[in-house]
Amino acid sequence: GESVGLHLPTLSVQEGDNSIINCAYSNSASDYFIWYKQESGKGPQFIIDIRSNMDKRQGQRVTVLLNKTVKHLSLQIAATQPGDSAVYFCAERPNAGNNRKLIWGLGTSLAVNP
Amino acid sequence: DAGVTQSPTHLIKTRGQQVTLRCSPISGHKSVSWYQQVLGQGPQFIFQYYEKEERGRGNFPDRFSARQFPNYSSELNVNALLLGDSALYLCASSFGTGEGGYTFGSGTRLTVV
Repeated sequence: GESVGLHLPTLSVQEGDNSIINCAYSNSASDYFIWYKQESGKGPQFIIDIRSNMDKRQGQRVTVLLNKTVKHLSLQIAATQPGDSAVYFCAERPNAGNNRKLIWGLGTSLAVNP
Repeated sequence: DAGVTQSPTHLIKTRGQQVTLRCSPISGHKSVSWYQQVLGQGPQFIFQYYEKEERGRGNFPDRFSARQFPNYSSELNVNALLLGDSALYLCASSFGTGEGGYTFGSGTRLTVV
């Protein structure tokens, strides 16, 4: 079936280091991918997105890489800060008719040590 | 500028009862989606509405229903509550197909006892 999975359930980094969170997806028909950050007790917060016709997109301190050959997505956070501590989810959107649902992975918990 | 607002924030219900959750999307957004997030897992898609029409339904039983009003706000109804329905229910709004991301509310924490 369809699934989006994360290679590492937890990630612990030192403040100032770069973080890389990985994600594997299985639906080759997905045309849009989003990374979300979710802090405890809050709803998911949009970080960055990428369309399937791109392989890299950069934002402020974040970069998303998409490798469609191996169905892999990654989120790179530069100079990680304590405020980056949260659970990070990748979500894919299958290109299937009018239903624009998101399929989510389990999430990776990022802990930033001061 | 208000984001996505959901009410109530927390709710405790007894098994077998019915519950209605509400969502107001960002002004100008015409699409509302509902997700269920069980503790420790990613959100699971329940429904999507666009321009007051159902555009998608996830793998949830018929006890779950929803609707979207002319002002684009939405309600999620769950009948005959089960203990397993305890979760964070998230509402997401987008202008159209969601390009640029779906904006989520803070959710309604439902506890069924």
